[in-house]
Amino acid sequence: TQLLEQSPQFLSIQEGENLTVYCNSSSVFSSLQWYRQEPGEGPVLLVTVVTGGEVKKLKRLTFQFGDARKDSSLHITAAQPGDTGLYLCAGDETGANNLFFGTGTRLTVIP
Amino acid sequence: GAVVSQHPSRVICKSGTSVKIECRSLDFQATTMFWYRQFPKQSLMLMVTSNEGSKATYEQGVEKDKFLINHASLTLSTLTVTSAHPEDSSFYICSARPSRGTGELFFGEGSRLTVL
Repeated sequence: TQLLEQSPQFLSIQEGENLTVYCNSSSVFSSLQWYRQEPGEGPVLLVTVVTGGEVKKLKRLTFQFGDARKDSSLHITAAQPGDTGLYLCAGDETGANNLFFGTGTRLTVIP
Repeated sequence: GAVVSQHPSRVICKSGTSVKIECRSLDFQATTMFWYRQFPKQSLMLMVTSNEGSKATYEQGVEKDKFLINHASLTLSTLTVTSAHPEDSSFYICSARPSRGTGELFFGEGSRLTVL
């Protein structure tokens, strides 16, 4: 089983603050996905990054794929209460049929 | 985007009974579907890979006779928890990858099982 470590595991911040979540692995992935999951629901795909060094922006969210395609980061600017949730990274290893999920980061944005 | 539906979303059963959870891809065909288990405040743990027309692939530590898979069509996979016990209580999530697509996974809404 491939291991994707996310940090921090828990994060509680005030509305308007910025934050960064990290996803690290020793394995190389052909692509990496970020999901957000709310309690009692399935994960929802936010973005897929494919190219080493790639940066994608989704409104206040900025995703970056590491040059070596082993790690990724998610930066949220001016966090809002609606950003609260469990953030999961997932790596797609070449030749593997399944995604390998990260350990998760639970974000709470306090109004 | 592609839609995956799970049913039921919540189920409560008595210890010793069997529970079936369905996972349907509503607008695409999926040769492979995945079943995960998620404990409170934790990430997803892959249990089994369901392959249409062939045997399911179970992850280490997952009992084949406990968690039965039926993937009889390209749009439906069912997970049956047999002789359920309180320790089987959990949030079960399925996902499917379109046979023709970019490789993205689409997730169901999840099914919360409570075994009394």
